[in-house]
Amino acid sequence: EPEVTQTPSHQVTQMGQEVILRCVPISNHLYFYWYRQILGQKVEFLVSFYNNEISEKSEIFDDQFSVERPDGSNFTLKIRSTKLEDSAMYFCASSETVLPSSGNTIYFGEGSWLTVV
Amino acid sequence: SQKIEQNSEALNIQEGKTATLTCNYTNYSPAYLQWYRQDPGRGPVFLLLIRENEKEKRKERLKVTFDTTLKQSLFHITASQPADSATYLCALESNYQLIWGAGTKLIIKP
Repeated sequence: EPEVTQTPSHQVTQMGQEVILRCVPISNHLYFYWYRQILGQKVEFLVSFYNNEISEKSEIFDDQFSVERPDGSNFTLKIRSTKLEDSAMYFCASSETVLPSSGNTIYFGEGSWLTVV
Repeated sequence: SQKIEQNSEALNIQEGKTATLTCNYTNYSPAYLQWYRQDPGRGPVFLLLIRENEKEKRKERLKVTFDTTLKQSLFHITASQPADSATYLCALESNYQLIWGAGTKLIIKP
C-alpha cells in the first residue's frame, strides 16, 4: 500500500538553529499538508499546499515556517530559527483531492519528532 | 470557532464487548466528520468518514453515527479485541482545515 514517508524520524537541535523536515507524499496525490502534535496535545493543522503554493495556513505557521516542493517528489517544512516550543511531532500528509470539496481521505506519515534544546 | 470535545479519560472495556466513543462539536455542523486511530509515537490512521446526510456508516467491526441535531458523532467497535487498544481521534473540516479532538484512549482488557 502506498505510504507517506518522512525523514528524519527524530531530530535534536539547538534553539535558534534551522531545521528542515522532509516528506515524500504518495505519488499521485496533489495536496500536501503539515500538522504538528505537541506531546500529549491535539493534532494541529499548520499548512496545506497545492500547485506549488500554500493554500491555507494556521496561526501557528508564522514567518519562521516555510514549505517547499523542491522537486517532483519531496515536500519540506523548514523552521528558520527553532524555539523550545517548537518541540513536537511533525506529521506530513497528502490527499488526492482537496479536503473540503470531497471529504477525501488524507494519509499521514509516521512523523518526525523534533526536540529543541 | 469550531471546537471538538472528546472524553479525555481513558475508556477501559472488556474484550468482546462493544466500545463506544463520543465526539461532540460546538458550532456549525460540518459537511463530514472523520475518525482516526493513533498508536503511541505514530501518525493518525484514517478509519471512517461520515457525511452530514448520513446517519450511520459501517466498516467491518466499526460503526460511526452522526447526529447533527445533537452535534455529536459516536464511534463503536463491536467484539473489541486487545489489538483495538489505541487513541481514537475525531476530526472535522473547518475553514478548509481539519481540526481535531484531543482523542480518547481506549484500553481493551483481555
